[in-house]
Amino acid sequence: QVQLVQSGAEVKKPGSSVKVSCKASGGTFSSYAISWVRQAPGQGLEWMGGIIPIFGTANYAQKFQGRVTITTDESTSTAYMELSSLRSEDTAVYYCARGGEGAAAGTHGYWGQGTLVTVSS
Amino acid sequence: DIVMTQSPDSLAVSLGERATINCKSSQSVLYSSNNKNYLAWYQQKPGQPPKLLIYWASTRESGVPDRFSGSGSGTDFTLTISSLQAEDVAVYYCQQYYSSITFGQGTRLEIK
Repeated sequence: QVQLVQSGAEVKKPGSSVKVSCKASGGTFSSYAISWVRQAPGQGLEWMGGIIPIFGTANYAQKFQGRVTITTDESTSTAYMELSSLRSEDTAVYYCARGGEGAAAGTHGYWGQGTLVTVSS
Repeated sequence: DIVMTQSPDSLAVSLGERATINCKSSQSVLYSSNNKNYLAWYQQKPGQPPKLLIYWASTRESGVPDRFSGSGSGTDFTLTISSLQAEDVAVYYCQQYYSSITFGQGTRLEIK
């Protein structure tokens, strides 16, 4: 059974950075895409970017280009999302999600529990 | 980016009745080489991550009750719940994965 376990809640100052982790267990880590999706309070879902560990190159939503970095550590089956230059509007729950096989990489059948990042002075 | 627009924003349906949610993409998400629509539907309940219901526009994820069905092609899609149950109260999102990934704004489904 695939499980994604994320790191705990964070409180950050404006202008700082945050790095959230997502540890996978069960199933093969390297072959499946990992996406990061965020949800501001009371708002909808917003895809930030994704990576297929075996290929190592991340793709980012244009909105976050230059501010987000997604990486993986295959030795620990862990994905990371780092967001820099934080502002209050970045306050949200951040989810990692695993994609399906092949052409279904963009479908997310497994999700982490979410990590609340609060940006406040 | 492909813009996904759902309608309505909210919906109230009586228990046992049919619920229909629409999703329109700003460009086709039908890939001609495999004749597949790159469209998925998710259900999200308060305090929980989203749950995948439907992918390839009409393929039900394993374990999803058969009262949930997806239809449509190209730019127009529909999620139908044939007989609403109390546990179906949630926000529903469509998502395209044809070009990058984008979500619709969500549709809140309540009991009338």
